[in-house]
Amino acid sequence: SQQGEEDPQALSIQEGENATMNCSYKTSINNLQWYRQNSGRGLVHLILIRSNEREKHSGRLRVTLDTSKKSSSLLITASRAADTASYFCAPGRPGGSYIPTFGRGTSLIVHP
Amino acid sequence: GAGVSQSPSNKVTEKGKDVELRCDPISGHTALYWYRQSLGQGLEFLIYFQGNSAPDKSGLPSDRFSAERTGGSVSTLTIQRTQQEDSAVYLCASSLVSGGRRNTIYFGEGSWLTVV
Repeated sequence: SQQGEEDPQALSIQEGENATMNCSYKTSINNLQWYRQNSGRGLVHLILIRSNEREKHSGRLRVTLDTSKKSSSLLITASRAADTASYFCAPGRPGGSYIPTFGRGTSLIVHP
Repeated sequence: GAGVSQSPSNKVTEKGKDVELRCDPISGHTALYWYRQSLGQGLEFLIYFQGNSAPDKSGLPSDRFSAERTGGSVSTLTIQRTQQEDSAVYLCASSLVSGGRRNTIYFGEGSWLTVV
């Protein structure tokens, strides 16, 4: 399995500010995904970035990937109170079965 | 179905009882995963099914936990002789292809288990 570790563990910002979360991993990957979880319910897939990509955008989300540093970042621009959730990264290893393992996530609180 | 469906959504059971949690994956998804999440913790991998291959049970915490997947679709996670430390949200997920490029994983809403 391939586990991602999110940092910081907790992040508290005001509405309108940008939120940046980081993910580090240890072995080579073929892609990395970010997920969001509201209040201990199911995770929702946000975005996937492949190992040959350095940056990807989806709406207010911007993901970067640095395979040389084995790290990724998720930026949420112009945050809203509704963005309050936990965010997890899931590195995908090349070949074989894909069993993502998740760290503790980053708990983001956006104050209105 | 439209998404991964889990039942029950909430279950309160007495210590020592057995419980069964059900997962209906998205139709056609060959890979199915079970995770559990204790309060304030990350997701803990439990078991993984892929097509007709033998399941990867490496995450099951004890022999009180077992899971099966019938007909390559519905899965049941069984916890025997429940303990209070089994209290958690049990999350099921499925994906179309394991590995490769199409591996977005879709999660159900989870089954909250409370052992009293």
